[in-house]
Amino acid sequence: AQKVTQAQTEISVVEKEDVTLDCVYETRDTTYYLFWYKQPPSGELVFLIRRNSFDEQNEISGRYSWNFQKSTSSFNFTITASQVVDSAVYFCALSEASDSWGKFQFGAGTQVVVTP
Amino acid sequence: EAGVTQFPSHSVIEKGQTVTLRCDPISGHDNLYWYRRVMGKEIKFLLHFVKESKQDESGMPNNRFLAERTGGTYSTLKVQPAELEDSGVYFCASVLGGTDTQYFGPGTRLTVL
Repeated sequence: AQKVTQAQTEISVVEKEDVTLDCVYETRDTTYYLFWYKQPPSGELVFLIRRNSFDEQNEISGRYSWNFQKSTSSFNFTITASQVVDSAVYFCALSEASDSWGKFQFGAGTQVVVTP
Repeated sequence: EAGVTQFPSHSVIEKGQTVTLRCDPISGHDNLYWYRRVMGKEIKFLLHFVKESKQDESGMPNNRFLAERTGGTYSTLKVQPAELEDSGVYFCASVLGGTDTQYFGPGTRLTVL
């Protein structure tokens, strides 16, 4: 069974609009880690954020913000005032403490298209 | 500092042929992972090395796949013989010991015809 669900396959926005990417995960572990990665057209996966299960504080980094809610098992990602350079595939990933170290389970990814 | 590199970037082979993918992790990273993304689906774990030892190979699809990491530096992933369903993008990632953030390479796009 898939443990990380990214229900949005593709989101298209016009530059300067905000966009929120949903990520819902499933785990029985009390200790786990959540990640977001960006895959630009060049192909590599770029690390964006890591959050452990004991830290529910939301985080903001520039135009990026993350909303972690354990009650709904969600770790959503918002890009504020989107830019064309934000066009990429974004992946949410889960790493469980009960699993082998560092083994990631990824969602299917959300393609974000930002047009000028 | 150089990131994770993978070679080749693209490979097109015919069914039944053999292909070897290479991954060079970030220097000093003992942990090395292989993942695969098939046809727009989620990225799936293949295996995990700690130095030269296979820590977890539960994601390897079948015995046509052989991964090695001699000397604990670079790693190779050989597919022999390749089948159509092996097509996809193969990613490599490395992690510094004691941390858990994975740094990914650009991937190798494998097409089996």
